[in-house]
Amino acid sequence: GAVVSQHPSRVICKSGTSVKIECRSLDFQATTMFWYRQFPKKSLMLMATSNEGSKATYEQGVEKDKFLINHASLTLSTLTVTSAHPEDSSFYICSARVAVGAYTQYFGPGTRLTVL
Amino acid sequence: AQSVTQLGSHVSVSEGALVLLRCNYSSSVPPYLFWYVQYPNQGLQLLLKYTSAATLVKGINGFEAEFKKSETSFHLTKPSAHMSDAAEYFCAVSESGNTPLVFGKGTRLSVIA
Repeated sequence: GAVVSQHPSRVICKSGTSVKIECRSLDFQATTMFWYRQFPKKSLMLMATSNEGSKATYEQGVEKDKFLINHASLTLSTLTVTSAHPEDSSFYICSARVAVGAYTQYFGPGTRLTVL
Repeated sequence: AQSVTQLGSHVSVSEGALVLLRCNYSSSVPPYLFWYVQYPNQGLQLLLKYTSAATLVKGINGFEAEFKKSETSFHLTKPSAHMSDAAEYFCAVSESGNTPLVFGKGTRLSVIA
């Protein structure tokens, strides 16, 4: 149980375009989802916390107008990278908590974004 | 504030040898501790977690970890390494169910035949 999926797994786009990444909890309802960014051979950097039905909470230094997060339902959160630049190229990973107050986070398989 | 320190960014062991990956934490309250494994170009998979029950926690794939409050440690071990254990391992801490996990920088495990 507790499976999280991401789509797409890999995307290549041109500089200036926008890219949407979906994160879905397949067998549970996730009131809270998290978005991370991972640079090569580095740890995970938390970008934002996404709560269903409310605005996302962004970490310091993360541009909320550039990385738009929407958590419209209990099973879906989306991250849209707007006006993508080559420096936005990275591995983006989402995770979800099974319930409010649950400590364990289950992670999606990640999305590799390459901006040309 | 909570934090995690993983000693050694890269650990190399021979196949069949003991695996020991070190993790020390800092937390102002009793922590919840996790070990995750990441294979290349994949997300993170939960290996095991400590949530204030037994201090010796057994996880998947033969891994286990022991919570030692006096040493603020949560080291990950496996008696006999397999080639398939080669991956990146992350230790993480959480102080409450309403805050996200804080990760260590990760330790890359290499297994030599």
